[in-house]
Amino acid sequence: RKEVEQDPGPFNVPEGATVAFNCTYSNSASQSFFWYRQDCRKEPKLLMSVYSSGNEDGRFTAQLNRASQYISLLIRDSKLSDSATYLCAVNKGGGSTLGRLYFGRGTQLTVWP
Amino acid sequence: NAGVTQTPKFQVLKTGQSMTLQCAQDMNHEYMSWYRQDPGMGLRLIHYSVGAGITDQGEVPNGYNVSRSTTEDFPLRLLSAAPSQTSVYFCASSYPQDRAHFGNGTRLTVT
Repeated sequence: RKEVEQDPGPFNVPEGATVAFNCTYSNSASQSFFWYRQDCRKEPKLLMSVYSSGNEDGRFTAQLNRASQYISLLIRDSKLSDSATYLCAVNKGGGSTLGRLYFGRGTQLTVWP
Repeated sequence: NAGVTQTPKFQVLKTGQSMTLQCAQDMNHEYMSWYRQDPGMGLRLIHYSVGAGITDQGEVPNGYNVSRSTTEDFPLRLLSAAPSQTSVYFCASSYPQDRAHFGNGTRLTVT
């Protein structure tokens, strides 16, 4: 089983829509969680860290569910500029793998006018 | 404010040639890693390092070597390039448990 599973999509939504992505992880000892955004042919860039209490940054909300071992990203009022691939990342933590991030395959989002 | 610097940005190799992809970071991060990204495959970890002198294999290490003689540098060596190594390569660095900072990537084509 892969460390991190993510629905690849694609998600095609109209401007203004709300869209949610989920990502599951296999190791209950995982300690750090992130959402990255990747534009075509560019490097991934951090969108948000995900905290246990959930966190919000403008139109973006990230949540962590440790019991079910998944993280989610909610985008409200989608903009054309939100079109990108969204990658979740999980840090298993501990021992020799400290610092090693496991990435999902990414979910492609296209927002159309 | 350089962050993570990768060179070259583009490279074309013939099968059997060797080369080194360079990666340098100026943030004093302990952790550095190399990923390759292929269509539909996401980011796959090749090798990583938790500090100078310490390296370990990731998911897809075959055909690649790394070394970490300094905190700043983490070069990736292709020993004998194969068409299957055509990919986009990203170097990243971080503090343990923290977000990863990525370089701009190297687009490698092996013919």
